[in-house]
Amino acid sequence: GQNIDQPTEMTATEGAIVQINCTYQTSGFNGLFWYQQHAGEAPTFLSYNVLDGLEEKGRFSSFLSRSKGYSYLLLKELQMKDSASYLCAVVSGGYNKLIFGAGTRLAVHP
Amino acid sequence: NAGVMQNPRHLVRRRGQEARLRCSPMKGHSHVYWYRQLPEEGLKFMVYLQKENIIDESGMPKERFSAEFPKEGPSILRIQQVVRGDSAAYFCASSPRGHSGRANEQFFGPGTRLTVL
Repeated sequence: GQNIDQPTEMTATEGAIVQINCTYQTSGFNGLFWYQQHAGEAPTFLSYNVLDGLEEKGRFSSFLSRSKGYSYLLLKELQMKDSASYLCAVVSGGYNKLIFGAGTRLAVHP
Repeated sequence: NAGVMQNPRHLVRRRGQEARLRCSPMKGHSHVYWYRQLPEEGLKFMVYLQKENIIDESGMPKERFSAEFPKEGPSILRIQQVVRGDSAAYFCASSPRGHSGRANEQFFGPGTRLTVL
């Protein structure tokens, strides 16, 4: 079957660092995306990992371990505007189909 | 370069009516994906289309739902005889190619929020 798990909710303080974990069990794996989604809006791309290791992009970093079926998204220097849902999605199969987790709602407070 | 366009943004239908949701992919993109997001849940894959072809409809309910992507015009997701359980946000995404990889990132439209009364 296909299963992607991530925490439902997290809270953090402005200026801090937060790590959002994602574990997956899928029938195929061709990469993992992280998307940000503000309430009522479209998901927007944050990061993509297909090889093991860390990808850094400004305040956001993403890590992948294929052998463990595990990824995390690291957000540094949190800002209020980072309050959003963060979606972990695995590319499954040859047709680029995305299998999404339920998303993690992050609340950043002063 | 306009992004993925979806219309309408909000759609209200009564039980038993038909809903037609439209998606215009980004310029140069010929691959379209439809996803459904129920309240408090993640996005669920429904169907993947290329121009004039349905490639993967493994996530589509067997009845009442259909999708097309004609040679000219937008992709259409059609829901016949809607029921309250169809109330959800429907997102369309497009990519330049159908293979996996960062270069084939899917760009999402703003979604259509369907409410069935």
